Amino acid sequence: AQSVAQPEDQVNVAEGNPLTVKCTYSVSGNPYLFWYVQYPNRGLQFLLKYITGDNLVKGSYGFEAEFNKSQTSFHLKKPSALVSDSALYFCAVRGPYGNNRLAFGKGNQVVVIP
Amino acid sequence: DGGITQSPKYLFRKEGQNVTLSCEQNLNHDAMYWYRQDPGQGLRLIYYSQIVNDFQKGDIAEGYSVSREKKESFPLTVTSAQKNPTAFYLCASSTRGTAFFTGELFFGEGSRLTVL
Repeated sequence: AQSVAQPEDQVNVAEGNPLTVKCTYSVSGNPYLFWYVQYPNRGLQFLLKYITGDNLVKGSYGFEAEFNKSQTSFHLKKPSALVSDSALYFCAVRGPYGNNRLAFGKGNQVVVIP
Repeated sequence: DGGITQSPKYLFRKEGQNVTLSCEQNLNHDAMYWYRQDPGQGLRLIYYSQIVNDFQKGDIAEGYSVSREKKESFPLTVTSAQKNPTAFYLCASSTRGTAFFTGELFFGEGSRLTVL
């Protein structure tokens, strides 16, 4: 079964500094990878996805993610963090076979310090 | 605007009571899902439905029930058999799931259930 690991519970970063949120995955076959963001007491919002093609994927709000097949990773990045980026970030993976169920990681709390 | 509406946003339940959470979407999506979110545990799939009048159990279906009588609606009932129902519940939808599904999920704003 597919799974993702988000090894850090919380990521603290100063405003204006680069932000990285780590994700590694396990899946049979080529992965479909997603990042979502959640603000307090709200639903999840889609940020970006990797299906195939270029390993660097650009998404909403200036976020991007790099797919690394050899390291089975899909880290989320933003060159310059904003205070408004403070939120809970989820990585998710789906395999290419079977149904469309996604496996979510446990989430990473990002705190951007002014 | 198109989207997913969950109600109520907050719900309190006494032990032994069944409660039903509403989820309605006007995105014309075939597939709908219910997730449970607990702090530090991420999202866990309760039930999902890929088409009207059909649904499947997810990873934590015990103590929950669903119906899918209309494309737009996918209500979740939390029964008294669910031993630890206090959680944040999220409904989502997507284009129809197939082996080649590559679309993202669209989420509602969630319903927070508290058992008193």
